[in-house]
Amino acid sequence: AQKVTQAQTEISVVEKEDVTLDCVYETRDTTYYLFWYKQPPSGELVFLIRRNSFDEQNEISGRYSWNFQKSTSSFNFTITASQVVDSAVYFCALSKGTGGSYIPTFGRGTSLIVHP
Amino acid sequence: DAGVTQSPTHLIKTRGQHVTLRCSPISGHKSVSWYQQVLGQGPQFIFQYYEKEERGRGNFPDRFSARQFPNYSSELNVNALLLGDSALYLCASSLVQSPNTEAFFGQGTRLTVV
Repeated sequence: AQKVTQAQTEISVVEKEDVTLDCVYETRDTTYYLFWYKQPPSGELVFLIRRNSFDEQNEISGRYSWNFQKSTSSFNFTITASQVVDSAVYFCALSKGTGGSYIPTFGRGTSLIVHP
Repeated sequence: DAGVTQSPTHLIKTRGQHVTLRCSPISGHKSVSWYQQVLGQGPQFIFQYYEKEERGRGNFPDRFSARQFPNYSSELNVNALLLGDSALYLCASSLVQSPNTEAFFGQGTRLTVV
């Protein structure tokens, strides 16, 4: 069975602070995909990144960066110099990579509040 | 290009009633998935359809059903509504059925059962 744990329920920071959102996953599959989504108050989930289990390279996209470590089954997300517009709920998700339907498992989400 | 559109945006139903939620995928997308998101939780997978066939089903009772039409739009039906069915229902579309393909989400239908 797959499981995604986002232990931080809510994080509150002041604008320009760096913030890291934690994600720990469990799976027996050797091939899998990890995702991060952002959910603003409007409700739709916005795709941020996808990483497959064979690619442990960290990725940076502007103020966003992701740290994937298979040894600790973690896929953490860092926002550098946070802005008020970053306020949202962020979800980490896991999907198997081969065979059958690709049913994703989502974590419970971390609510990020960035104060001006 | 229009994104994923869902209708209605909000809905209030009484226990025991039936509800139909609709989703129009992005043009050219053949895969549609449905999720239930209870307040304070992550989305829970309900169904996935690809090329009009059910390709995946989550752990939901038979009161939940869905279908995909020839134009790839989809309906989610819930019978005998319970208070616990109150949630945001999200639809996602993707080009194909693959985790290596980005899924685009609609803004959801907020269902309240009273």
